[in-house]
Amino acid sequence: DGGITQSPKYLFRKEGQNVTLSCEQNLNHDAMYWYRQDPGQGLRLIYYSQIVNDFQKGDIAEGYSVSREKKESFPLTVTSAQKNPTAFYLCASVRGQGINQPQHFGDGTRLSIL
Amino acid sequence: KQEVTQIPAALSVPEGENLVLNCSFTDSAIYNLQWFRQDPGKGLTSLLLIQSSQREQTSGRLNASLDKSSGRSTLYIAASQPGDSATYLCAVNAGNTPLVFGKGTRLSVIA
Repeated sequence: DGGITQSPKYLFRKEGQNVTLSCEQNLNHDAMYWYRQDPGQGLRLIYYSQIVNDFQKGDIAEGYSVSREKKESFPLTVTSAQKNPTAFYLCASVRGQGINQPQHFGDGTRLSIL
Repeated sequence: KQEVTQIPAALSVPEGENLVLNCSFTDSAIYNLQWFRQDPGKGLTSLLLIQSSQREQTSGRLNASLDKSSGRSTLYIAASQPGDSATYLCAVNAGNTPLVFGKGTRLSVIA
């Protein structure tokens, strides 16, 4: 079945450590997105990529980095510069440029601080 | 800057009741509006997408309407069931830009 796979489901980070969240899709979608969700908050956009080898910052990109070397993969690295990383992270993808196409989401990664 | 607001933030209804969730947005220059469902600890599932030229979309017991000029959308759920309990989010698409999401309405349907 086609879909988006996020791993791991739970992740713990130590002080000063970088961690990488994986997002893989087999939907042949062009655009991919990373969102952060905090309790009582909506989804806030971290980074997005509309094509391989290109990506743009979202509203809260500071302390995060991404790469898009392959169409199906869009990993997110939470760096030590992100001082409050505890949150639920969601990856999404959409066909083409996303105009009039529904976004598809993975099941998320919950990141906590040790 | 586009802002999306959902009211109420939480809603509790008895099983079988018909209900309406509200979504408003500040900039009417949108391509579409999407409604999603999120179960606890899970990702979002797309429910309905209404293009700017459409007035409503239906899927089973769900009906979403769009009034672009007034910046409003509603999600109508008929004959609610306990399995409908979830958080419902709306999001607007202004074209070749990322979706802008509301904070969601948490729905509880009591058996």
